[in-house]
Amino acid sequence: DGGITQSPKYLFRKEGQNVTLSCEQNLNHDAMYWYRQDPGQGLRLIYYSQIVNDFQKGDIAEGYSVSREKKESFPLTVTSAQKNPTAFYLCASSILGGRSQAPNEQYFGPGTRLTVT
Amino acid sequence: SQELEQSPQSLIVQEGKNLTINCTSSKTLYGLYWYKQKYGEGLIFLMMLQKGGEEKSHEKITAKLDEKKQQSSLHITASQPSHAGIYLCGADLQGAQKLVFGQGTRLTINP
Repeated sequence: DGGITQSPKYLFRKEGQNVTLSCEQNLNHDAMYWYRQDPGQGLRLIYYSQIVNDFQKGDIAEGYSVSREKKESFPLTVTSAQKNPTAFYLCASSILGGRSQAPNEQYFGPGTRLTVT
Repeated sequence: SQELEQSPQSLIVQEGKNLTINCTSSKTLYGLYWYKQKYGEGLIFLMMLQKGGEEKSHEKITAKLDEKKQQSSLHITASQPSHAGIYLCGADLQGAQKLVFGQGTRLTINP
C-alpha cells in the first residue's frame, strides 16, 4: 500500500525538550511539506522540500528544523525555542508540478498530536 | 487576516438538505484545492480546480471556481451523515508551488 505514515499519533513532552516527528512516504513524491494546525485555524506551512538535501522555510519556521537526507523521509524537529509547540502536525507530499502549472494535489499523513507541558 | 477566507466557519444542516461552503481570496488563485478532514485525522483530497469557470463533481459534491479565479464554492446535495467533517480550501496564490489554506468549515449533519 502506498501512502504517508506519521509516527507517533500522540506525543507528550516536557517543556524545554526537543522532539522529532517522523514522516515517511512510499509514493515516490519529490515534494514534502510540514504543516501545523491549531483549533479553529487552517493549516500553516512550517517547512517544505522539493528535492533531497534542500528545503525552504514556510510561514512559521521559527523554532522548527527539518532534514531531507532521503527522498522518502522528512523528519521535523520541534525545538525548545518554539514558544507554543502544542498542536496537531500534518505531513504531506506531492508530485512536483511544472513552473507554469498549478501544484499537484498534496497527499496527507494521519497527523501527530504533540502536547508539551 | 487570512489570505483565504472560508464561510461559514461552522454549519449545521438537517440530513437531506443542500449546503454551500465558500472560499474567497483577494488574489488570483493559480490552483484551488478542496479537502475534507475528520477530527484528529489527516486531510482527504476532494477536488482541484484550475481554470476560471471550471466545475467538477464527485458523487453529491460539486465544486466551482469563478471566472475571475478568486472565489470557489463547494456544494453538497442531499447531505448525509458521512458528509460531516471539516472542509478546507487550499490555494496556490503566487504560482510558488505551495499552498495556503483557509481556516476550515466545520459541517455537522443532524439526522
